[in-house]
Amino acid sequence: DQQVKQNSPSLSVQEGRISILNCDYTNSMFDYFLWYKKYPAEGPTFLISISSIKDKNEDGRFTVFLNKSAKHLSLHIVPSQPGDSAVYFCAASANSGNTPLVFGKGTRLSVIA
Amino acid sequence: SQTIHQWPATLVQPVGSPLSLECTVEGTSNPNLYWYRQAAGRGLQLLFYSVGIGQISSEVPQNLSASRPQDRQFILSSKKLLLSDSGFYLCAWSVRRSTDTQYFGPGTRLTVL
Repeated sequence: DQQVKQNSPSLSVQEGRISILNCDYTNSMFDYFLWYKKYPAEGPTFLISISSIKDKNEDGRFTVFLNKSAKHLSLHIVPSQPGDSAVYFCAASANSGNTPLVFGKGTRLSVIA
Repeated sequence: SQTIHQWPATLVQPVGSPLSLECTVEGTSNPNLYWYRQAAGRGLQLLFYSVGIGQISSEVPQNLSASRPQDRQFILSSKKLLLSDSGFYLCAWSVRRSTDTQYFGPGTRLTVL
């Protein structure tokens, strides 16, 4: 049973346009959500997070939106750059740090110049 | 600042041989430590996590084991490797009893032949 789902395995976007990566979850106990970015043969790097008490968090070109009623979150990248091409993982946690993160399977973003 | 190290970076091992991957964290005390595997074309699979010395939780049954002999050292082992053990192994740490943001090491690419 996959608690965190990233239903799009890949996404292609033109440079300068908006990239929208989606993530759905099933566990209503999740209260903290994160996005990680991973280049090939490297460890994932933390990108941005959001607590369930918020519905939006912004950091530069990256914005994460949380819709608790729909159990859905999304990562927006504006404007997209070729260096954004990577695999993006959505992750969620319940009980504020006492249980491990649950990761989605990732979405491969390709930004085309 | 905190740093996480993993070695070796790449490893090619024959089926049936033993395995030992090491992970160390610098710049923090009492971290939570994690081992993940990313198999080809798949997401991040949590293998083990540890909240303290000698405390290991296993997430999936397999021929791998983990140990934490020191506060900031986490070791992944196997007595006999299988072909299916090939993958990209990632160590991560997080601050205990705080937000769940995990920070990943550079990873070890393991190929079992």
